Amino acid sequence: DSGVTQTPKHLITATGQRVTLRCSPRSGDLSVYWYQQSLDQGLQFLIQYYNGEERAKGNILERFSAQQFPDLHSELNLSSLELGDSALYFCASSVPPNTGELFFGEGSRLTVL
Amino acid sequence: KNEVEQSPQNLTAQEGEFITINCSYSVGISALHWLQQHPGGGIVSLFMLSSGKKKHGRLIATINIQEKHSSLHITASHPRDSAVYICAVIQPTSGSRLTFGEGTQLTVNP
Repeated sequence: DSGVTQTPKHLITATGQRVTLRCSPRSGDLSVYWYQQSLDQGLQFLIQYYNGEERAKGNILERFSAQQFPDLHSELNLSSLELGDSALYFCASSVPPNTGELFFGEGSRLTVL
Repeated sequence: KNEVEQSPQNLTAQEGEFITINCSYSVGISALHWLQQHPGGGIVSLFMLSSGKKKHGRLIATINIQEKHSSLHITASHPRDSAVYICAVIQPTSGSRLTFGEGTQLTVNP
């Protein structure tokens, strides 16, 4: 158990819908990272938050947004869903933002039909 | 050409064999991660390296910064080592974003 909790574990929805994925980092970890893993693109970095502030942005679509709340949990919002958004979405956390060991959640598997 | 390349893409071994997975990168890095992803999908960070060598149990990771190359070794491999092993790098100019290799699928047969 990494200490990082992601919900839901599985989600099936239809095109055009909106979903929210939630991540609770390890106790004390200030940095939260979101990654997408799809069959054709592999693992890709989406976005990072550090202590409530956006720290780095990767290949995140405009239809996607994220935030980190004062209690340090984070949410990834995916809207106007397309078939190609079907993927595993991972959250990871670390204490220091750049060089610390990463702890991954189990992932949220999103299927868009 | 990908910035992070792994070889081999697929590897099948017999239990007890010594295994090496290679990672080459073409960019300057501040650190390199080796990750393990099991069939269920969960990802575990095995090592984070910025120089030299690290060992944890039967796993050894090395990095040569000058040659831009890292290796992950598994000694006395076991079927439970079967997983995808992923190399990922952090570039000093990219904040904390990881750039991932495509992964190496390892299967260890009993």
